[in-house]
Amino acid sequence: QSALTQPRSVSGSPGQSVTISCTGTSSDVGGYNYVSWSQQYPGKAPRLIIYDVSKRPSGVPDRFSGSKSGNTASLTISGLQAEDEADYYCCSYAGTYSFYVFGTGTKVTVL
Amino acid sequence: EVQLVESGGGLIQPGRSLRLSCAASGFIFNDFAMHWVRQAPGKGLEWVAGISWNGNDIGYVDSVKGRFIISRDNAKNSLFLQMNSLRSEDTAMYYCAKDWRSNYGALHIYGQGTMVTDSS
Repeated sequence: QSALTQPRSVSGSPGQSVTISCTGTSSDVGGYNYVSWSQQYPGKAPRLIIYDVSKRPSGVPDRFSGSKSGNTASLTISGLQAEDEADYYCCSYAGTYSFYVFGTGTKVTVL
Repeated sequence: EVQLVESGGGLIQPGRSLRLSCAASGFIFNDFAMHWVRQAPGKGLEWVAGISWNGNDIGYVDSVKGRFIISRDNAKNSLFLQMNSLRSEDTAMYYCAKDWRSNYGALHIYGQGTMVTDSS
């Protein structure tokens, strides 16, 4: 049950694109198509923005997109906006008795 | 509107127990798996425990196995976390979370959390 590995921080200017990686193992990210991403503002509860690797819940802007290759998943934010400045966490299903494992978290800064 | 309201947090003393509750509304509770997720001050999210829609599948993070017990009462739309043999490292905000599906898929909706703090 080791945490998935994410970069500590990424940054970009408004309108640019940023990509956050999430690296796990064949027991989690690589073994299931149940990778999700959540956004969290300071002092607030997390909000799901991507599930099943690349699907968006209703109400989430289409500038958020997800993908996966092998043991690494990615979240791309296109057309970066000031309101996207937040912490982002990946999460993967990890089996019947482990359920889920989170990533280490990435702080996105809009320059 | 889906709502999850946690309660039961407070000051803890190492070795003592605490029971967290989560009241759910706005969805068919017994159609979905439910979970507890925690976040220590200034740290990242950690999945703590999960239970399938019917209670048949239960899982825990290694650090709480043998100490914490997750349960649910589908008749009362409620989720619980019995926390025993508490440690200072259990200090965190504890979130109740609804799954996307009946068994697993993604952590979809979170409550606002209840804080558990070491009293020492």
